[in-house]
Amino acid sequence: EDQVTQSPEALRLQEGESSSLNCSYTVSGLRGLFWYRQDPGKGPEFLFTLYSAGEEKEKERLKATLTKKESFLHITAPKPEDSATYLCAVQASWADKLIFGTGTRLQVFP
Amino acid sequence: GAVVSQHPSWVICKSGTSVKIECRSLDFQATTMFWYRQFPKQSLMLMATSNEGSKATYEQGVEKDKFLINHASLTLSTLTVTSAHPEDSSFYICSGGGRHPDTQYFGPGTRLTVL
Repeated sequence: EDQVTQSPEALRLQEGESSSLNCSYTVSGLRGLFWYRQDPGKGPEFLFTLYSAGEEKEKERLKATLTKKESFLHITAPKPEDSATYLCAVQASWADKLIFGTGTRLQVFP
Repeated sequence: GAVVSQHPSWVICKSGTSVKIECRSLDFQATTMFWYRQFPKQSLMLMATSNEGSKATYEQGVEKDKFLINHASLTLSTLTVTSAHPEDSSFYICSGGGRHPDTQYFGPGTRLTVL
């Protein structure tokens, strides 16, 4: 069964304290792995798509990496405005739909 | 960027009434649109997938007669919650795919409250 597990469930960081969020997945043929950011009461905002092991993508303080079993979202020197829930999703090669993890709720305080 | 809008952003209705939610892709053609439901502090649950001009494909456990989906054009999909009940109260989010073959772009969501 295709599955996505994210850890930790919640993470509290001091401003400037770098950390990583984990997304472990099992899927029958990976078409793509996606990272989204979701603020309370809003729809998910697209961050990255990764397609193959070894691939990395960066955007401002965020960097996403991919292996054959997991993905990491590294946050360097976070700011309070980075506080949000970060969602990971995979797309299997046989389907269009995304399978989401339960998310990591990140709080960055000054 | 790829923008998806939803209307209304929130709606309150009485039990037994029907509610229609619109989802539009504003700057791209969404060959496929998806409808999700999200309960508080939970992740997104896919309800159905629709392709323009075709019948929607519903996920297991989702009542197709209760949640009517129409994907009449490449920029518009609608979700109608028929005979709504309090347990249908949730955050409904749509997404569109097509600008990039695999990436889904999400709307801002619609908060439905059924009294």
